[in-house]
Amino acid sequence: EAGVTQFPSHSVIEKGQTVTLRCDPISGHDNLYWYRRVMGKEIKFLLHFVKESKQDESGMPNNRFLAERTGGTYSTLKVQPAELEDSGVYFCASSPQAGPTGELFFGEGSRLTVL
Amino acid sequence: AQSVSQHNHHVILSEAASLELGCNYSYGGTVNLFWYVQYPGQHLQLLLKYFSGDPLVKGIKGFEAEFIKSKFSFNLRKPSVQWSDTAEYFCAVILYNQGGKLIFGQGTELSVKP
Repeated sequence: EAGVTQFPSHSVIEKGQTVTLRCDPISGHDNLYWYRRVMGKEIKFLLHFVKESKQDESGMPNNRFLAERTGGTYSTLKVQPAELEDSGVYFCASSPQAGPTGELFFGEGSRLTVL
Repeated sequence: AQSVSQHNHHVILSEAASLELGCNYSYGGTVNLFWYVQYPGQHLQLLLKYFSGDPLVKGIKGFEAEFIKSKFSFNLRKPSVQWSDTAEYFCAVILYNQGGKLIFGQGTELSVKP
């Protein structure tokens, strides 16, 4: 069974440009999460989809970040325009069930470097 | 605000040494607790978890963790580490009223010397 896949694995862009990160969850997993790790800091929650609906987007830093999950399958996270402080590793995770007992399955992450 | 604190940022051990990584959380309600591991070049994967019952939980690869409610702690242990345990370890909690929203500690990088 394929795991959670993320693309690209690494993206280097200049400040002011746009980047779109993609996540393909494990097939059949309705729950999809985005997390971010800024260098040297903890991994922080960004948002949670249940199918195509945003269940919780309390962790989104600002309106330069836009997440979508059309059709309830893969998800994209767009950063526009990118700023230096957006650099970090963006993790996607999926789960067949939400709630406190649901194990999250993570992708390898997309490393974003903003110059 | 709820938080998770890992005591050590970087731990260096020789093979066969014993390991204990500290984790404390600040939340008075019901939580579920996890340790995740990220081996070099790989994805985060679950090492072990605690939901209820026996506070001493065993995970993969000989790891175990003990939940001490009175100390708000969930320390990770392994009696004898191997070079292949070199990785970054993350403690995390899920608050019982927030589905799937993991709160992570800062991570502890473990380097095991052969």
